[in-house]
Amino acid sequence: NAGVTQTPKFQVLKTGQSMTLQCAQDMNHEYMSWYRQDPGMGLRLIHYSVGAGITDQGEVPNGYNVSRSTTEDFPLRLLSAAPSQTSVYFCASSYETSGAGNEQFFGPGTRLTVL
Amino acid sequence: GNSVTQMEGPVTLSEEAFLTINCTYTATGYPSLFWYVQYPGEGLQLLLKATKADDKGSNKGFEATYRKETTSFHLEKGSVQVSDSAVYFCALSLYSGGGADGLTFGKGTHLIIQP
Repeated sequence: NAGVTQTPKFQVLKTGQSMTLQCAQDMNHEYMSWYRQDPGMGLRLIHYSVGAGITDQGEVPNGYNVSRSTTEDFPLRLLSAAPSQTSVYFCASSYETSGAGNEQFFGPGTRLTVL
Repeated sequence: GNSVTQMEGPVTLSEEAFLTINCTYTATGYPSLFWYVQYPGEGLQLLLKATKADDKGSNKGFEATYRKETTSFHLEKGSVQVSDSAVYFCALSLYSGGGADGLTFGKGTHLIIQP
């Protein structure tokens, strides 16, 4: 199994540009989520999904869109990038939708810089 | 709301020293508690977990006990190695009756082990 994969590893955008961060998992996990990691802030939940066709907002959803058309994929879209979105983005998945007590598996991250 | 507080570091120790990283939490229910580790340039990996009061999680020589009375989940290791150098995150998760809250993270503790 490849686990959780993310592409690209690095990306530089200009303010106002759009892009999609890709996330895929091959473990047949129902639950997937996106976090951002900022210095001194830990990780904060952006959006999550409890299954195909179902998404919901986390702690910091503004400026990001998600969709879940398949169990395997959970892309994160930035429609108009801003410097405040400069961060490292992690995708995670787990096999149960509650998340409580269950291990979440993290991808290697995407380092995004918005100029 | 839910929150996790941990010592931020960096924490610098000599090889074979005893390690304690403090973690306390605030939660509206009965959370599951986790320690995740992030090695340089990588995503997060689950180190250990505990799902109810008085449970002890352990892995790779690390231990943490879920203390409900002090709302704490301190990470300990008796003899650290250079390879333990990483960032350690304390986190909690709550089951919200069918919803999925994701993980609430502390800000992370950067551990540096010197030979």
